[in-house]
Amino acid sequence: AQKITQTQPGMFVQEKEAVTLDCTYDTSDQSYGLFWYKQPSSGEMIFLIYQGSYDEQNATEGRYSLNFQKARKSANLVISASQLGDSAMYFCAMREGPNFGNEKLTFGTGTRLTIIP
Amino acid sequence: GAGVSQTPSNKVTEKGKYVELRCDPISGHTALYWYRQSLGQGPEFLIYFQGTGAADDSGLPNDRFFAVRPEGSVSTLKIQRTERGDSAVYLCASSLRDRGGANEQFFGPGTRLTVL
Repeated sequence: AQKITQTQPGMFVQEKEAVTLDCTYDTSDQSYGLFWYKQPSSGEMIFLIYQGSYDEQNATEGRYSLNFQKARKSANLVISASQLGDSAMYFCAMREGPNFGNEKLTFGTGTRLTIIP
Repeated sequence: GAGVSQTPSNKVTEKGKYVELRCDPISGHTALYWYRQSLGQGPEFLIYFQGTGAADDSGLPNDRFFAVRPEGSVSTLKIQRTERGDSAVYLCASSLRDRGGANEQFFGPGTRLTVL
C-alpha cells in the first residue's frame, strides 16, 4: 500500500479563493510527523507546515493550515486567499516513528496547483 | 543565511561513466539527506547521515551508489557505471535535528543528472 496518497494530480483555482489539497497516509506507528512542501518550477522544495501525530491542534502557518483527521489518516493542506505565487507542485510527506528517531521522509506523488487570475 | 547548496546544477554524462554530486548543508545542521526525484514523482529517500556516519542507507538502489560525509559537513554522492535509469534530479537536504519541533528538512536546488 502507498504510504502517502495524493489523489489530485492537478487543480485549478481562482485567485483569492481557498483551496484544499488532499493527503491520506498509511502507517502503523503511533508516533509520526506529517509535512507539506511546495515545489515551484525552479525546483527547490520549500517547507510549509508540520503536524505531529500527538499534536491536538491543527497546525497553522500564515495562510496555510493543516486539517488533521487522525482517525481517517488524512492531513489535508488548506491555503486561504490563494495568490498567483501559490502556483506550484505541492507534496505531502511523512516521517514514521518518533521525532529524533528515523528521519527519512516518504513523499506522495504531488498535486500541481494552478492559480487563475 | 545561506541555504543548502548543490553542485553541479546540471550534469550530463555517458552510460558507464562515474559521477560525483556535491552537497553543502546549512551550517550547523548535523543531519544530511539525499533524495532522488524522477520526472512526475515525489522525492525518494536514498541515504541519511547523522554527523559523519550513514545512519540509514536503505534507499540506495544498488551498490553502484555510495555517499560520504567525511567531516560531518559536505557530502558527496557517488554513482559508478551510470545507467540511463539513473537520470533524475538528486536532492540534498539538511536539518538541525533538535529534540523538539518539526526538524523540517531544508532542501537544496538539486542536481539534474542526465545519462546518455
